[in-house]
Amino acid sequence: GAGVSQTPSNKVTEKGKYVELRCDPISGHTALYWYRQSLGQGPEFLIYFQGTGAADDSGLPNDRFFAVRPEGSVSTLKIQRTERGDSAVYLCASSPQTSSDTQYFGPGTRLTVL
Amino acid sequence: TQLLEQSPQFLSIQEGENLTVYCNSSSVFSSLQWYRQEPGEGPVLLVTVVTGGEVKKLKRLTFQFGDARKDSSLHITAAQPGDTGLYLCAGRLQTGANNLFFGTGTRLTVIP
Repeated sequence: GAGVSQTPSNKVTEKGKYVELRCDPISGHTALYWYRQSLGQGPEFLIYFQGTGAADDSGLPNDRFFAVRPEGSVSTLKIQRTERGDSAVYLCASSPQTSSDTQYFGPGTRLTVL
Repeated sequence: TQLLEQSPQFLSIQEGENLTVYCNSSSVFSSLQWYRQEPGEGPVLLVTVVTGGEVKKLKRLTFQFGDARKDSSLHITAAQPGDTGLYLCAGRLQTGANNLFFGTGTRLTVIP
């Protein structure tokens, strides 16, 4: 079956602009996660959804970052007033039910803020 | 500051050699996982260890969880070019915790 997909694969934007990154989880997976991976580092947790609700958003760095999952499937990570420090690969993962289940990662969106 | 430190950061070896990658922390983890990530792709889970002292084998890969559940190691026997990639350890501080803490990564290159 299809894995986790993310669009776009690459996004280049200018400082101060607004961006949206999309994640399509594996069909039927209720848990969804966003991570950020900076160059040379391991992924860093941002937010976790269980169904439509954000069960844990403790990893969001500041209020410029926001994520939604209105129908419990596709999720969008939104970044306002982008800064150069936001440049990274944004990874999405999904798991069947709970946060203890195996997480399946998408290929990521590489965001570059000029 | 990352909770899990991996060493070495980079490793380049000849095909057929053995290697060990280490994942260390001052914190106790309820479980630890190892992932491999290739360029342009997301991490792929290799193994999960949950019991202190546990050893798991996956073909030529051997994973060990430290007795105190603060560290782990990954040993590869007779490395092959297909083993090339970024190896990441990741752990949960509590059972069922949402937050998965990833290590700093070890980039392995196996030269044919």
